[in-house]
Amino acid sequence: AQTIHQWPVAEIKAVGSPLSLGCTIKGKSSPNLYWYWQATGGTLQQLFYSITVGQVESVVQLNLSASRPKDDQFILSTEKLLLSHSGFYLCAWRLGGAETLYFGSGTRLTVL
Amino acid sequence: AQSVTQPDARVTVSEGASLQLRCKYSYSGTPYLFWYVQYPRQGLQLLLKYYSGDPVVQGVNGFEAEFIKSNSSFHLRKASVHWSDSAVYFCAVRITGNTGKLIFGLGTTLQVQP
Repeated sequence: AQTIHQWPVAEIKAVGSPLSLGCTIKGKSSPNLYWYWQATGGTLQQLFYSITVGQVESVVQLNLSASRPKDDQFILSTEKLLLSHSGFYLCAWRLGGAETLYFGSGTRLTVL
Repeated sequence: AQSVTQPDARVTVSEGASLQLRCKYSYSGTPYLFWYVQYPRQGLQLLLKYYSGDPVVQGVNGFEAEFIKSNSSFHLRKASVHWSDSAVYFCAVRITGNTGKLIFGLGTTLQVQP
């Protein structure tokens, strides 16, 4: 069974519309969670990280927000999408003290 | 400043040929180095990692990488590529601390020709 599940797989949204992307981690206690963004054809950039429930740190300001409502859940959202939000969003996890990040299968977002 | 450079945006090799994908990093601390692979329309999969010890690390599917501290390099190698190895390969260095931040290179697209 997969440890990390992201939803939806893909989204096509209009500029100005809201967005919510989700990530669930199964079978890991208190993982560190991360959101990364990959612009089309580009490299990956860390957006947010969370060490514990209810606590999220922003790394890059892209008019997005993130929340961690449960130990195993990480949500990325915005109330108003921009064209520049298009790209591939990846959730990742690691256990505290471990060095390796493991990534989900990603959500492809197209903003029109 | 921390950075990762993958100088080759695209590499094309014939099936069965050997492969080297180059990676150089800039990081003042102890480098934790990774290679990830991204198949079309998929997330990242970990190929291999280096923390310490033997500078040559083995990964999945016959890949290996060598950490050369004097050269700040972590090149990826494979003795004989298969068409299914066609993908984008990312080199990354992890920033120590709770942020878990990985600095990625721009990636190298590998095209294996039959």
